[in-house]
Amino acid sequence: DVKVTQSSRYLVKRTGEKVFLECVQDMDHENMFWYRQDPGLGLRLIYFSYDVKMKEKGDIPEGYSVSREKKERFSLILESASTNQTSMYLCASRRVASGANVLTFGAGSRLTVL
Amino acid sequence: DAKTTQPNSMESNEEEPVHLPCNHSTISGTDYIHWYRQLPSQGPEYVIHGLTSNVNNRMASLAIAEDRKSSTLILHRATLRDAAVYYCILSSTNAGKSTFGDGTTLTVKP
Repeated sequence: DVKVTQSSRYLVKRTGEKVFLECVQDMDHENMFWYRQDPGLGLRLIYFSYDVKMKEKGDIPEGYSVSREKKERFSLILESASTNQTSMYLCASRRVASGANVLTFGAGSRLTVL
Repeated sequence: DAKTTQPNSMESNEEEPVHLPCNHSTISGTDYIHWYRQLPSQGPEYVIHGLTSNVNNRMASLAIAEDRKSSTLILHRATLRDAAVYYCILSSTNAGKSTFGDGTTLTVKP
């Protein structure tokens, strides 16, 4: 069964802390994504990565950075966490093939910044 | 990115069919129509996708309008476990970024 694993389901951090959210997929997928989900705002794309060491900004990249040193791992970094980054963070991956390119999501990481 | 428009919420009775609409009037020729659903406290999961023809799988059916500017996800017999947020998105064959809208919250009443 294909899997996208997010390292932490729940995190509590303090304002100004550096936060790492890790995502690992075991499907050899080229593309990986980070979304955040807030009530009433749906899923918003933060960053995505076409392949190793390749990244592109999504719709709301401010305050975030990403790292993709290995194909299976895509990390989301909050350099200095703020309370408005309290949210549910969702990672997804996708194989690039001719056709539909279906996304597989992780279970999510709920981050609270105090 | 081409956008999709869905109703915010819909209700259904258990064991009745449910038709969830989606408008995508700016769809391009290379865009697939995808549907995902998100159960409470979980990440979204894939439901079905199509390009031009109607599609069936074990979870649902997808009806695509002839001009491809709208589609409908059909759950043939809703169960309480189908209560979720349903997202309709467009995914290009060149595999660019995938943008989600707000989705439709489906409530299933016993």
